[in-house]
Amino acid sequence: AQSVSQHNHHVILSEAASLELGCNYSYGGTVNLFWYVQYPGQHLQLLLKYFSGDPLVKGIKGFEAEFIKSKFSFNLRKPSVQWSDTAEYYCAVINMEYGNKLVFGAGTILRVKS
Amino acid sequence: SQTIHQWPATLVQPVGSPLSLECTVEGTSNPNLYWYRQAAGRGLQLLFYSVGIGQISSEVPQNLSASRPQDRQFILSSKKLLLSDSGFYLCAWSRAGGWGGEQFFGPGTRLTVL
Repeated sequence: AQSVSQHNHHVILSEAASLELGCNYSYGGTVNLFWYVQYPGQHLQLLLKYFSGDPLVKGIKGFEAEFIKSKFSFNLRKPSVQWSDTAEYYCAVINMEYGNKLVFGAGTILRVKS
Repeated sequence: SQTIHQWPATLVQPVGSPLSLECTVEGTSNPNLYWYRQAAGRGLQLLFYSVGIGQISSEVPQNLSASRPQDRQFILSSKKLLLSDSGFYLCAWSRAGGWGGEQFFGPGTRLTVL
């Protein structure tokens, strides 16, 4: 079965620390990749996405992610986190050969201490 | 612009009672529609999706059902709720044809079954 793994369920960082959240998926073929974020009390919203082209994609609020096809990975990074980045982050993958179904990872709860 | 609405926002129901959660999308036609359940530490589980009126695909066997009576309306139902149906339910939509898989999420409904 297709699956998405997020390596850390809880991450606690101090402000200005660097962030990297891991995401690996289990299948080959053509995939589109997403990171979604859910801030406390808000909708789940798109942070960034990769469809094709430059494997380093930039999203909102200074986030970026790198698609490494050989490692089946799509890790999320931010050089310097802020207290306002406290949220839950979800990696999601869709295999376009299998239709319109996104497969989500279990999520990572990030808490940034001010 | 497109918007997605869910109601109610919260719901407390006794075991054995019926359920109806509603989701509507505005500003787009013939969207793909999705119901997810979000559980802590388990990510988002796809329950149902629909590519058109009256067309429902179920992803997991369970006590719930879905219907799509109109193009932009998606309803999640149960005839008799179980304790295990408690959770946070999210509705999402994507553009017809998938358009790369990007989905847009509603605010969710917190269901508590007592």
